[in-house]
Amino acid sequence: DAKTTQPPSMDCAEGRAANLPCNHSTISGNEYVYWYRQIHSQGPQYIIHGLKNNETNEMASLIITEDRKSSTLILPHATLRDTAVYYCIVRAAAGTGANSKLTFGKGITLSVRP
Amino acid sequence: GAGVSQSPSNKVTEKGKDVELRCDPISGHTALYWYRQRLGQGLEFLIYFQGNSAPDKSGLPSDRFSAERTGESVSTLTIQRTQQEDSAVYLCASSLFSGANVLTFGAGSRLTVL
Repeated sequence: DAKTTQPPSMDCAEGRAANLPCNHSTISGNEYVYWYRQIHSQGPQYIIHGLKNNETNEMASLIITEDRKSSTLILPHATLRDTAVYYCIVRAAAGTGANSKLTFGKGITLSVRP
Repeated sequence: GAGVSQSPSNKVTEKGKDVELRCDPISGHTALYWYRQRLGQGLEFLIYFQGNSAPDKSGLPSDRFSAERTGESVSTLTIQRTQQEDSAVYLCASSLFSGANVLTFGAGSRLTVL
């Protein structure tokens, strides 16, 4: 049972912002939104996570809607190296008794073109 | 170590043989996860460990698959009587504790069953 839905693919021009959407309409109050990415032939890499506030780090920004039913990952200046599959995942916080595993869906394939 | 180390990086075996895949997590990480990724597919959860115990082994596809962890460190995934459908990349990840926000993945072990 998928908890998140993402478009299968998108592309953007190098140097432009890449905005990757994710729907998680059944998210529970104690569930966080996580983003990971997987560059070809590598293991997944953590990008960012958030609960309800917008978050920013050196890699990306995460914008979560007020109702928390959707979010957008923003790569502000996409480079060719950002071409990857991006996974949006929801999971309960630690200590809630929920299973700690991350369940990966199909993700969205981002292609950055020169 | 600095990252999650997996060995072998590549393994080619004949159908019916047993294989062992090894994962060395980041030092001090108490949680360890195994995933499988078939060619062109997403990540399938197999099992996770908290310490040396496996609270969730629900993803192991059959009794030919087993895993153990010793010394709250290295883990071994064993596949007995390998089948062609076992061909995949087996990914290991570790985190500070079960439910921690960041999982760090290794590069994976690519298994090919002829």
